[in-house]
Amino acid sequence: AQSVTQPDIHITVSEGASLELRCNYSYGATPYLFWYVQSPGQGLQLLLKYFSGDTLVQGIKGFEAEFKRSQSSFNLRKPSVHWSDAAEYFCAVGAWDSGAGSYQLTFGKGTKLSVIP
Amino acid sequence: NAGVTQTPKFRILKIGQSMTLQCTQDMNHNYMYWYRQDPGMGLKLIYYSVGAGITDKGEVPNGYNVSRSTTEDFPLRLELAAPSQTSVYFCASSYSSFGAPYNEQFFGPGTRLTVL
Repeated sequence: AQSVTQPDIHITVSEGASLELRCNYSYGATPYLFWYVQSPGQGLQLLLKYFSGDTLVQGIKGFEAEFKRSQSSFNLRKPSVHWSDAAEYFCAVGAWDSGAGSYQLTFGKGTKLSVIP
Repeated sequence: NAGVTQTPKFRILKIGQSMTLQCTQDMNHNYMYWYRQDPGMGLKLIYYSVGAGITDKGEVPNGYNVSRSTTEDFPLRLELAAPSQTSVYFCASSYSSFGAPYNEQFFGPGTRLTVL
């Protein structure tokens, strides 16, 4: 079965600084990769996704992520963080689960981002 | 489109009470899901459905039941509430087909449930 690791529980950055959130996955084949953002008290919103093709994908709100097969990683980046980016970020892997017999989405435990004005 | 809607937004239950969390989507998605979110634990899949009349267990199904009589609705039932079911519950939906099996899930705003 697939798994997702987000090594950083909490990250604090200054407004205007660059950001990189790490995500590592475990899956035998090429997975379908997603980044979601959750603002306090809200549901999850999709930032970007990778299915195939160009390994650098662009998302909403100025975010991008790069798929690196050799490192089993899908890190999220933003060149200049805004105070409104403070939220929790979840990496997710979509893959066929043979045990369940269906497509399953597995989430990491999340990284909380705090932004210092 | 309203997307995925959930009711209620908040609820407090006493131990042993029962309740149904409602979820409706208007995107004609075939897949629907229920997750619970606990602090620091990410999202855990409770139940999911691949179409009307078809449901299956996820990672943490104990203490819950679901039904899917229509494409739009996917209610989650708690029969005997326990403190361990205190959590935030999210409903989600997606569209999967033979040509496009893996698509993003759209999430509702969540239901915050406290069992005392």
